[in-house]
Amino acid sequence: EDKVVQSPLSLVVHEGDTVTLNCSYEVTNFRSLLWYKQEKKAPTFLFMLTSSGIEKKSGRLSSILDKKELSSILNITATQTGDSAIYLCAHRGGGADGLTFGKGTHLIIQP
Amino acid sequence: EPEVTQTPSHQVTQMGQEVILRCVPISNHLYFYWYRQILGQKVEFLVSFYNNEISEKSEIFDDQFSVERPDGSNFTLKIRSTKLEDSAMYFCASKEGITGELFFGEGSRLTVL
Repeated sequence: EDKVVQSPLSLVVHEGDTVTLNCSYEVTNFRSLLWYKQEKKAPTFLFMLTSSGIEKKSGRLSSILDKKELSSILNITATQTGDSAIYLCAHRGGGADGLTFGKGTHLIIQP
Repeated sequence: EPEVTQTPSHQVTQMGQEVILRCVPISNHLYFYWYRQILGQKVEFLVSFYNNEISEKSEIFDDQFSVERPDGSNFTLKIRSTKLEDSAMYFCASKEGITGELFFGEGSRLTVL
């Protein structure tokens, strides 16, 4: 059974801080790793990672995959209160079509 | 910006009742999904649907569940006889191609009493 483990489960920081969220996976047939941001309801897509060592960037957010370590990190620099959300990591397997999600990291940015 | 829309946003039902959750995926998308999230737990895959048939389903998606694409726009999830443990947020999602980005709807919260 595929597993996705995220850490920490929750994190409280101050505005302006930089945070690093972790995701590790244990899967039978890797295809891609995805990051989502879940605020009130629907998860919204952030990044899809398929190749090791190539950083994906969008504004203050960036993410990178390490296939050797079976992990990925999501970095947020100069955090703002609007970054407060649950950040979900998910694996898309080779033969399987559905995503396997981690429990998420609940990030709270204090003013 | 195109979006996946779901109705109802919240439904309360009695145990044993049938429920239909509706979704309108993004119009040019070909792959459709249902996920659920029990309060405080992780998002779980239920079923994927392509070319008018189920392509994959999880262990959660038992005989009580069914999906249908009755016309060119709607994608529905039916729960035949709801149980208390079916209470969850149900997310519909769609994507254009097999490797594309998955877009989620806002979810339908189901409460079974």
